[in-house]
Amino acid sequence: EVQLVESGGGLVQPGGSLRLSCAASGFTFSRYWMSWVRQAPGKGLEWVASIKQDGSEKYYLDSVRGRFTISRDNAKNSLYLQMNSLRVEDTAVYYCATVGTVVAAFDIWGQGTMVTVSS
Amino acid sequence: QSVVTQPPSESGTPGQRVTISCSGSSSNIGSNTVNWYQQLPGTAPKLLIYSNNQRPSGVPDRFSGSKSGTSASLAISGLQSEDEADYFCAVWDDSLNGVVFGGGTKLTVL
Repeated sequence: EVQLVESGGGLVQPGGSLRLSCAASGFTFSRYWMSWVRQAPGKGLEWVASIKQDGSEKYYLDSVRGRFTISRDNAKNSLYLQMNSLRVEDTAVYYCATVGTVVAAFDIWGQGTMVTVSS
Repeated sequence: QSVVTQPPSESGTPGQRVTISCSGSSSNIGSNTVNWYQQLPGTAPKLLIYSNNQRPSGVPDRFSGSKSGTSASLAISGLQSEDEADYFCAVWDDSLNGVVFGGGTKLTVL
């Protein structure tokens, strides 16, 4: 079964750090660009970051560049998002997703992990 | 305020055809392909249309997409109660060097 499972979410104070993980199974992880997409409570979808198959290219949303780092370990079929200097506005459900045949076409999604930034 | 604009809500009755618009600019829709997502309440989004008008395997042909200039549309024909959901368009933006989502459209089946 093709599956993405996120973990690592939780409650953190403003200025704190958190590392999200996404475990892939059922497909050849190393063949896909991967992305993180978030959704604040009651709000729309917001793309966060994307990484190329071999990790050589990375793209970030302006508001997270310099604070968040996307990475992957193809040997472990895993995607990561290191989040530093967290802000209240980073509060959201974070989804990992595969990038399909075209950019912005996210065809496999995880169930999401909730990140709450609050004092 | 997203750089790609969708109406916040649309509605229709069972069996009807409804369209959801997505308006952008030359740096996004005007130069890249548009993708559409359906998000049912409490679930992760699902890819509905990619490359403007292509349906992934398993998506009913009641769903169709089109693009003209800097605008795109998602059409749903033979509307069913289970189509009640939030719909988002998404496209790469050459100026922002990233993916932009529309603000989303809540579809209500009356």
